[in-house]
Amino acid sequence: AQTVTQSQPEMSVQEAETVTLSCTYDTSESNYYLFWYKQPPSRQMILVIRQEAYKQQNATENRFSVNFQKAAKSFSLKISDSQLGDTAMYFCAFIGTNFGNEKLTFGTGTRLTIIP
Amino acid sequence: DAGVTQSPTHLIKTRGQHVTLRCSPISGHKSVSWYQQVLGQGPQFIFQYYEKEERGRGNFPDRFSARQFPNYSSELNVNALLLGDSALYLCASSPQRGGQETQYFGPGTRLLVL
Repeated sequence: AQTVTQSQPEMSVQEAETVTLSCTYDTSESNYYLFWYKQPPSRQMILVIRQEAYKQQNATENRFSVNFQKAAKSFSLKISDSQLGDTAMYFCAFIGTNFGNEKLTFGTGTRLTIIP
Repeated sequence: DAGVTQSPTHLIKTRGQHVTLRCSPISGHKSVSWYQQVLGQGPQFIFQYYEKEERGRGNFPDRFSARQFPNYSSELNVNALLLGDSALYLCASSPQRGGQETQYFGPGTRLLVL
């Protein structure tokens, strides 16, 4: 069984600054995918970024980038030039590729507040 | 294109009652998964359906059941409601089954059991 750990329950940062959210995971699978989802107060879970484990290159989506360290089983999210709209809960999630185990496993989340 | 839709948005029930939650996936998506999110926690996997068949089940009691219809929409049923069933129920769809498919979430149904 896989586990996902987010060790930062809450973080806050000034608008326009850069912030990094941490995530570690544990799995015995060799091929898998990692995600960061954002859940604003409206509660809609929105995909931020996705990383394929077999790709060494770190994924990037505009102001969002990840630092994927496969050997260390670490998957952190960096938000550059933070904006007020980035205020939300952020969940790290893992999914394997073995048939019958295609479920997302989420961490407990990090509540990020962007301060004006 | 419309995203994943869920109904109702909010629901209040009393202990022992039954509830049905509904989900319509993104057009063209054949896989639907259900998750329960208790306040302050990450979502927990309940079911996955693909092509109208159950393809995965999380660690939930038999009071929880689901089904998928020919148009790929889905229902989650919970019988004999307990206070602990109060949660946000999220539906997610993906084009096909498989971990390589990104799951897109609906806005959720907030269930309160009194």
